[in-house]
Amino acid sequence: GAGVSQTPSNKVTEKGKYVELRCDPISGHTALYWYRQSLGQGPEFLIYFQGTGAADDSGLPNDRFFAVRPEGSVSTLKIQRTERGDSAVYLCASSSQGTANYNEQFFGPGTRLTVL
Amino acid sequence: GNSVTQMEGPVTLSEEAFLTINCTYTATGYPSLFWYVQYPGEGLQLLLKATKADDKGSNKGFEATYRKETTSFHLEKGSVQVSDSAVYFCALSVRHTGTASKLTFGTGTRLQVTL
Repeated sequence: GAGVSQTPSNKVTEKGKYVELRCDPISGHTALYWYRQSLGQGPEFLIYFQGTGAADDSGLPNDRFFAVRPEGSVSTLKIQRTERGDSAVYLCASSSQGTANYNEQFFGPGTRLTVL
Repeated sequence: GNSVTQMEGPVTLSEEAFLTINCTYTATGYPSLFWYVQYPGEGLQLLLKATKADDKGSNKGFEATYRKETTSFHLEKGSVQVSDSAVYFCALSVRHTGTASKLTFGTGTRLQVTL
């Protein structure tokens, strides 16, 4: 596709349930990021993939959060035993690999997760 | 650690007014600085960037200058339009290894421009 896509756009779940959020990056982008944006806050970094491997997962809040990117393209963010505090907009971004000092991150529209 | 502080909103201006949104940062190493914009119903978009001290980023009439001595990257526009109404985020990244770096964002400033 032309841009980063995320599905679903909205997800409502009950406390304690498991959820999966999907991100389709821009074709050819090797770097993929997940961020979480709580109401009234800026996005906070969760995890970054370079290809298939998680190069930096320092932003994952605890072991209930896990993400994969098995073929170096689509990524899935998985949240186990959801809590009300997990409610937020989950953003995905991708960028190309290059030699520039900074490679622009292109953001998807986000998945709004609501945990009841 | 790295952090970004930006002025709280909302900022409400009349069309053609001058805009300043303040942003200061704390970073280990030498950060690149960014302004992202989020228009209603849309995703985050890069507005402008500056990758070293004294660089000026500019786009769509917006400007920001990387000031290392004051650790600031204030966003300015000489004459705002109603279509500029959006949430603006200041952000930084510090490149460690490779070419990709995570972004650290401020809390965002909502701008509302009225006729």
